[in-house]
Amino acid sequence: GESVGLHLPTLSVQEGDNSIINCAYSNSASDYFIWYKQESGKGPQFIIDIRSNMDKRQGQRVTVLLNKTVKHLSLQIAATQPGDSAVYFCAENIRGQNFVFGPGTRLSVLP
Amino acid sequence: EAGVVQSPRYKIIEKKQPVAFWCNPISGHNTLYWYLQNLGQGPELLIRYENEEAVDDSQLPKDRFSAERLKGVDSTLKIQPAELGDSAVYLCASSLRSQSGEQFFGPGTRLTVL
Repeated sequence: GESVGLHLPTLSVQEGDNSIINCAYSNSASDYFIWYKQESGKGPQFIIDIRSNMDKRQGQRVTVLLNKTVKHLSLQIAATQPGDSAVYFCAENIRGQNFVFGPGTRLSVLP
Repeated sequence: EAGVVQSPRYKIIEKKQPVAFWCNPISGHNTLYWYLQNLGQGPELLIRYENEEAVDDSQLPKDRFSAERLKGVDSTLKIQPAELGDSAVYLCASSLRSQSGEQFFGPGTRLTVL
């Protein structure tokens, strides 16, 4: 069945450093992936998405990498800022079905 | 532009009582979603609407949960009767296109069942 998970439940990084948040998925049929950021007391906020015909996509300070061979997805945040502190979720989609969210990784930015 | 509006933000009830949540999506968004989020976990879809039609309610516990979106705009989610295990955050989201990855979430309603 579908399964989305994260390697690390918490991640602490120094302000200004780069952050890498990882996500593993088990269903090779998944063809669309998204990353969301959720700050305390708020709903998730869309960050970036990637389709399975791509292996890299860049946004503003963020890059998503997709490795279909090992079913791995990562979110890279450049020059991490205090405002990046949040829980990050990856989610997968199979051919237009509903999105399945992973459990999340908490990112803490240290001053 | 106003985002997705949800009310109430917090609700505390005793078990076996009914409770209702309200959501007003972003104007022009035809697709509306209700999610349940337990502490420390990702959102889980309960129901998805395309306009006023519930196109996927397979994860909605229909013995106690119900939802409606009568005019294809705002929506209500009801639980009757509530159980202790229903304590969670109930999130509403909307999107311009069906099954878009870019869903806009409201702040959620935190339900505590005592």
